[in-house]
Amino acid sequence: AQTVTQSQPEMSVQEAETVTLSCTYDTSESDYYLFWYKQPPSRQMILVIRQEAYKQQNATENRFSVNFQKAAKSFSLKISDSQLGDAAMYFCAYITSGTYKYIFGTGTRLKVLA
Amino acid sequence: EAQVTQNPRYLITVTGKKLTVTCSQNMNHEYMSWYRQDPGLGLRQIYYSMNVEVTDKGDVPEGYKVSRKEKRNFPLILESPSPNQTSLYFCASSSVFGLREKLFFGSGTQLSVL
Repeated sequence: AQTVTQSQPEMSVQEAETVTLSCTYDTSESDYYLFWYKQPPSRQMILVIRQEAYKQQNATENRFSVNFQKAAKSFSLKISDSQLGDAAMYFCAYITSGTYKYIFGTGTRLKVLA
Repeated sequence: EAQVTQNPRYLITVTGKKLTVTCSQNMNHEYMSWYRQDPGLGLRQIYYSMNVEVTDKGDVPEGYKVSRKEKRNFPLILESPSPNQTSLYFCASSSVFGLREKLFFGSGTQLSVL
């Protein structure tokens, strides 16, 4: 079965510090795309970063970067210089090429402490 | 402005009273989908549609109906709601090729079935 596991239901980070959210997934496909979505208290779902599985280079978007380990099926999100506005629920997800189905993880709630 | 419009934002109803949650997108997207979000379970797909008159079941379709008579609209119908359908619902859309890029989400509908 295709699954996404986020083993940390909740995490906290001090403002300006760095935090890493973990995500592992299970697929037998070789071509797929990975995502991190952020859900702030407004409930809006916001794409944070994406990664193509065929690319070895880790994706980076400003303070957000990923550590993509394809063999280990791991896709962690690193947030540097954490800000109060980063407080949200974060969902890891993937979609395999040729399917129309996103698989989402259970989410990690991130608290940012002032 | 490109957007997915979902209504209502909040809905309280009673068991057995038919309801419809509307979803409309203005981006000419072929793909539309419904998810429900529950604590500890993440987002799970209910139904999706690849185009007009083309719909298919997701992971948790029981108790739900959808229709896609127009490209822009994809309503979710609960013909006889039950308390276990109390949840946060999201509509999302994308172009077929854009599925590898991101999903565009509505602002969510918090449904309570008493």
